[in-house]
Amino acid sequence: GAVVSQHPSWVICKSGTSVKIECRSLDFQATTMFWYRQFPKQSLMLMATSNEGSKATYEQGVEKDKFLINHASLTLSTLTVTSAHPEDSSFYICSARKAGVSTDTQYFGPGTRLTVL
Amino acid sequence: GDSVTQMEGPVTLSEEAFLTINCTYTATGYPSLFWYVQYPGEGLQLLLKATKADDKGSNKGFEATYRKETTSFHLEKGSVQVSDSAVYFCALRSTGGGNKLTFGTGTQLKVEL
Repeated sequence: GAVVSQHPSWVICKSGTSVKIECRSLDFQATTMFWYRQFPKQSLMLMATSNEGSKATYEQGVEKDKFLINHASLTLSTLTVTSAHPEDSSFYICSARKAGVSTDTQYFGPGTRLTVL
Repeated sequence: GDSVTQMEGPVTLSEEAFLTINCTYTATGYPSLFWYVQYPGEGLQLLLKATKADDKGSNKGFEATYRKETTSFHLEKGSVQVSDSAVYFCALRSTGGGNKLTFGTGTQLKVEL
């Protein structure tokens, strides 16, 4: 299989604090990981694409200083929401693409629900 | 820009009923089209895909046909089961768009006995 986990599955934090979300590929190596966010009744929106060992590529309109992405290894990428505010409350989902495989299939994590009070 | 529109849910059906979830898209060129399914507490899983016009993707009794003339990729199943209860996402990937997927809003399906 190709399993992707996220931790935590949900988090509640106070406004102004930072929150880190982890995305791990459990049984494969991932050269590329993607971060999405989803608002209620809206579609998944790609935030950024991260490649292992290099800087993430952010989509237009996504603040790179607010959403820090680190892809330090072939099995782990982290998303840190800095100085979180209530408008950052959302469902964050990561996906990963297998290293060394020609398929472009993405494997998705179960998501992390962030609530900022 | 690219966009995907799918019917709002929730869709509630009785077991063995026929399912259709509509999906239409806007994209330049010839995108690849996908249906993903998300079961409660799990990540999105690829259900089926089609990469060119008139292709039919199928898996687990679900089918969808790539209709370029109507820019649609409707998901169908002849007889749903309670275990099909999930959220279904239609998505596209444009030609030249790398691995960037554009998703619809998702449609929740509830199947009751």
